[in-house]
Amino acid sequence: LAKTTQPISMDSYEGQEVNITCSHNNIATNDYITWYQQFPSQGPRFIIQGYKTKVTNEVASLFIPADRKSSTLSLPRVSLSDTAVYYCLVGREGGSQGNLIFGKGTKLSVKP
Amino acid sequence: GAGVSQSPRYKVAKRGQDVALRCDPISGHVSLFWYQQALGQGPEFLTYFQNEAQLDKSGLPSDRFFAERPEGSVSTLKIQRTQQEDSAVYLCASSPGMNYEQYFGPGTRLTVT
Repeated sequence: LAKTTQPISMDSYEGQEVNITCSHNNIATNDYITWYQQFPSQGPRFIIQGYKTKVTNEVASLFIPADRKSSTLSLPRVSLSDTAVYYCLVGREGGSQGNLIFGKGTKLSVKP
Repeated sequence: GAGVSQSPRYKVAKRGQDVALRCDPISGHVSLFWYQQALGQGPEFLTYFQNEAQLDKSGLPSDRFFAERPEGSVSTLKIQRTQQEDSAVYLCASSPGMNYEQYFGPGTRLTVT
């Protein structure tokens, strides 16, 4: 599976838009990009998945440029409850091929 | 509906003791995964079941770790002769199949003293 690189931590304030970028230079043709969110003392939770261009759901948007070597998770108008660790994962079609390979993730801290 | 549940939520074991961690996946989910998460790190894969068959155990760190899912539903991760380096959160996840979103339980925090 392609290795991913993302910032260790980010700070934001309530109401702001947060963009977390993930680099995956070795992404394969049939790899999907998936983001998980993890709150303290909980297991990770699926947020969004995409292959190219833009994907949007009720929680977030995922932007993927044409070369697919990076992706950006966008969280609109964050609140304190969005404070969590966000993991970018790259894997085969479906994004959940076998085991998931997590990096260290990005610890997002939202302040009032 | 009910999600993935794990028990116990917290376990303290003395070094050398055996422990058993239980995972109740979402009903009907074929795939079941175990992960180990050390403090400040992302989860790391341990083993994978498809129904009752253990198809991948490449992530198990030593032969002291053993997992089973005898009836294709509940799974147990057993650690024999626990060591301090086994202290971590053990996460279980299930999914309808191999290429589907994984649903994680809350984890069991194991502390070996």
